[in-house]
Amino acid sequence: DAGVIQSPRHEVTEMGQEVTLRCKPISGHNSLFWYRQTMMRGLELLIYFNNNVPIDDSGMPEDRFSAKMPNASFSTLKIQPSEPRDSAVYFCASIQPGLAGGPYFFGPGTRLTVL
Amino acid sequence: AQSVTQPDIHITVSEGASLELRCNYSYGATPYLFWYVQSPGQGLQLLLKYFSGDTLVQGIKGFEAEFKRSQSSFNLRKPSVHWSDAAEYFCAVGASNTDKLIFGTGTRLQVFP
Repeated sequence: DAGVIQSPRHEVTEMGQEVTLRCKPISGHNSLFWYRQTMMRGLELLIYFNNNVPIDDSGMPEDRFSAKMPNASFSTLKIQPSEPRDSAVYFCASIQPGLAGGPYFFGPGTRLTVL
Repeated sequence: AQSVTQPDIHITVSEGASLELRCNYSYGATPYLFWYVQSPGQGLQLLLKYFSGDTLVQGIKGFEAEFKRSQSSFNLRKPSVHWSDAAEYFCAVGASNTDKLIFGTGTRLQVFP
């Protein structure tokens, strides 16, 4: 298995533009997580899905952020409109059912820079 | 609610020296505890985990951690650090009734030759 795949790896955009980050979890993993990492806040959980259904989106900063998981093999995190304070590394992670079933597998991350 | 504290933001050690990274958690029930490592430009990789049983757990790369319920701690240790251990280390807490992990803010380890 190729692991968790994220695209793009780097994104540079201007304030006000729409940004879409993509994630393909490991096949067979039924939970998917989006995290944001910054120097100031560390790793923050934004949202997570179980069996394609959003379970906890309490970490989504504001209405400019939205996430979808239309099927078991694909998820998107969208920021519209983007702002400079959204600059961060965004990680996607997936696991098999239950924490005891195995560790989180993290993707390599998308480094977002909003100018 | 679960929370994790890593008191040390940055630690510097000499190669060959011993290492201990601190982690304190807050959770009402028996937690699931994890240590992850992040190399520059990479995602996080699991070092070790504790669910139950023996409170001293062994992980990859020669790391171990000890769960101390009385101190709400899960400190990471390594007897002899290698230059390749330079990275950022994250402690995380979870529970049996959720897939959600809460991460600490991380400790950056620097290793001098």
